[in-house]
Amino acid sequence: DIQLTQSPSILSASVGQRVTITCRTSQGISGYLAWYQQKPGQAPKLLIYGGSTLQSGVPSRFRGSGSGTEFTLTITSLQPEDFATYYCQEGSFGGGTRVEMK
Amino acid sequence: QLQLHESGPGLVKPSETLSLTCSVSGDSMTESDYYWGWIRQSPGKGLAWIGSIENSGSAYYNPSLKSRVIISVDTSKKQFSLKVSSVTAADTSVYYCVRHVREAYYIESNGYYYDYFDYWGQGTLVTVSS
Repeated sequence: DIQLTQSPSILSASVGQRVTITCRTSQGISGYLAWYQQKPGQAPKLLIYGGSTLQSGVPSRFRGSGSGTEFTLTITSLQPEDFATYYCQEGSFGGGTRVEMK
Repeated sequence: QLQLHESGPGLVKPSETLSLTCSVSGDSMTESDYYWGWIRQSPGKGLAWIGSIENSGSAYYNPSLKSRVIISVDTSKKQFSLKVSSVTAADTSVYYCVRHVREAYYIESNGYYYDYFDYWGQGTLVTVSS
């Protein structure tokens, strides 16, 4: 099975800051990674699929990129509603990155 | 807007069978080319895909759970169901039903797939305890 390792596990950031979350895979994959956002008490929400395609309704400040074994989710300007936990997925899920207020 | 809603007992005794149903509304299950799946989330193990089923009834499962899991679908009722047998405390989780999208891509005429989950139920906590 392919293992997905996210880093950092916790990220402290301020509103307006550019944020980058990394997802590393144990072997090279297609690049068609998905990213999800989960807020406390809620189900995960699909943000990006196919590596970089924004799900309908998701703000354009969310960007997915990467290839091979290293992929990133970037939030270009962090908004108050973006404080949440983020997961990558390609088959299995990564362990999650919690974005908290600095 | 598609909506998914899980239902079933919140407490199951060890060694018994966990049974959940997902009701689908807002869209037709049969007019779309999707899978319907289950994912669970426990504090110690994060998110884990359990299995998925096509409208035709063909199901496939996470190998780690395959021996204990059955997923079925009833498109006439717009429902699909999950059964996990011989449960232990390790099966205590929030269980989500999801719409599972499988997209094809090709590399040098060889076909491959990637998967993602675009609609989720709100989740239901199932606790395994005597």
